[in-house]
Amino acid sequence: NAGVTQTPKFRVLKTGQSMTLLCAQDMNHEYMYWYRQDPGMGLRLIHYSVGEGTTAKGEVPDGYNVSRLKKQNFLLGLESAAPSQTSVYFCASGSGRVNSGANVLTFGAGSRLTVL
Amino acid sequence: AQKVTQAQTEISVVEKEDVTLDCVYETRDTTYYLFWYKQPPSGELVFLIRRNSFDEQNEISGRYSWNFQKSTSSFNFTITASQVVDSAVYFCALSYAWDKFYFGSGTKLNVKP
Repeated sequence: NAGVTQTPKFRVLKTGQSMTLLCAQDMNHEYMYWYRQDPGMGLRLIHYSVGEGTTAKGEVPDGYNVSRLKKQNFLLGLESAAPSQTSVYFCASGSGRVNSGANVLTFGAGSRLTVL
Repeated sequence: AQKVTQAQTEISVVEKEDVTLDCVYETRDTTYYLFWYKQPPSGELVFLIRRNSFDEQNEISGRYSWNFQKSTSSFNFTITASQVVDSAVYFCALSYAWDKFYFGSGTKLNVKP
């Protein structure tokens, strides 16, 4: 009953460093998402995936890359971190009828990233 | 353009008071879904309710109730007899496709004993 697990929970980077956030879900969900949460701005979609081997850009994709080599995992990469990427990152997964909008998302606990 | 507006940034109430969290949305689609999620201090967002655009019936679940009015594009959330455990950030969201999921900026609710 793990649901959605994100690692690491906290990370501090220096500008220009790279890192990868890992998201794993054990619910056999087709859809997976990466969001960032910033004060006063709610959650904004970075990238998403509608199935193994597929990825697509969301609202704020610049500076991030993703991969979904296995259905249960969705990786978010920062190639060259910038202070503007200081945020709390949430992974979510969901299942439902194709493109219906009815997807109930299950969220991970979040990963707090600070870029100095 | 803002799809979901939660005008109340932060609300403070005393335990046992009723409180309503406002949500106004904007969409041109006729088929869409509205959601409320709760984010307690632990950080993880928890699903509370989903409504589709064709079902305007109000819903009650224990101390929680939701009022959906298409005429005013609102989906408000009321907590009756609030408790300290209700303290959290509450997000309203709108979705009409798997990649069209828009969250409001959230309302932080503080319930004081």
